[in-house]
Amino acid sequence: AQSVTQPDIHITVSEGASLELRCNYSYGATPYLFWYVQSPGQGLQLLLKYFSGDTLVQGIKGFEAEFKRSQSSFNLRKPSVHWSDAAEYFCAVVTYNQGGKLIFGQGTELSVKP
Amino acid sequence: AAGVIQSPRHLIKEKRETATLKCYPIPRHDTVYWYQQGPGQDPQFLISFYEKMQSDKGSIPDRFSAQQFSDYHSELNMSSLELGDSALYFCASSRGGFGPLGYNEQFFGPGTRLTVL
Repeated sequence: AQSVTQPDIHITVSEGASLELRCNYSYGATPYLFWYVQSPGQGLQLLLKYFSGDTLVQGIKGFEAEFKRSQSSFNLRKPSVHWSDAAEYFCAVVTYNQGGKLIFGQGTELSVKP
Repeated sequence: AAGVIQSPRHLIKEKRETATLKCYPIPRHDTVYWYQQGPGQDPQFLISFYEKMQSDKGSIPDRFSAQQFSDYHSELNMSSLELGDSALYFCASSRGGFGPLGYNEQFFGPGTRLTVL
């Protein structure tokens, strides 16, 4: 069965520093890939998505992600982190033969130091 | 723009009680998904409906049932509540699941936080 792995449970970065959150998926074909952000007690907000085409996708709030088929990865990046970026980040996948349901990774909690 | 509405936003119940969560999808969306997010966990798919018919089922307990009504809103009914049912329950809606043009994006509601005491 397909799965999504986020190896880092918790990451702390200094404000203004760059950020990379890792995501690996396990699936034979190219899935549809997503990054969501969740602030404490809040819902899920879509940051960006990859369906096909250009492997570098731009999202909201200055985030971008790069799909690398050879590494089965879809890492999220931001060049300069702001304190308001502190939140939980979920990578998710949808596959054609699974009826459209999202399969989420375990999440990465981001803390931002002043 | 209209978003997915979930009610209630917060619900407190005792063990063995029942609960009903409601989801109102974005207008003209015909597909509803339910997810459960336990404390410190990732969201887990429960069940989905397309055009008022159940389309997929995940790890949903037999104590839970759900349906989608003629106006496309959906209700998740939970009986014999257990402490472990305490979670954030999300509803998401889309216009179709996987169609001829591919995947149709899911839009999430704010969630219902259920606490079982």
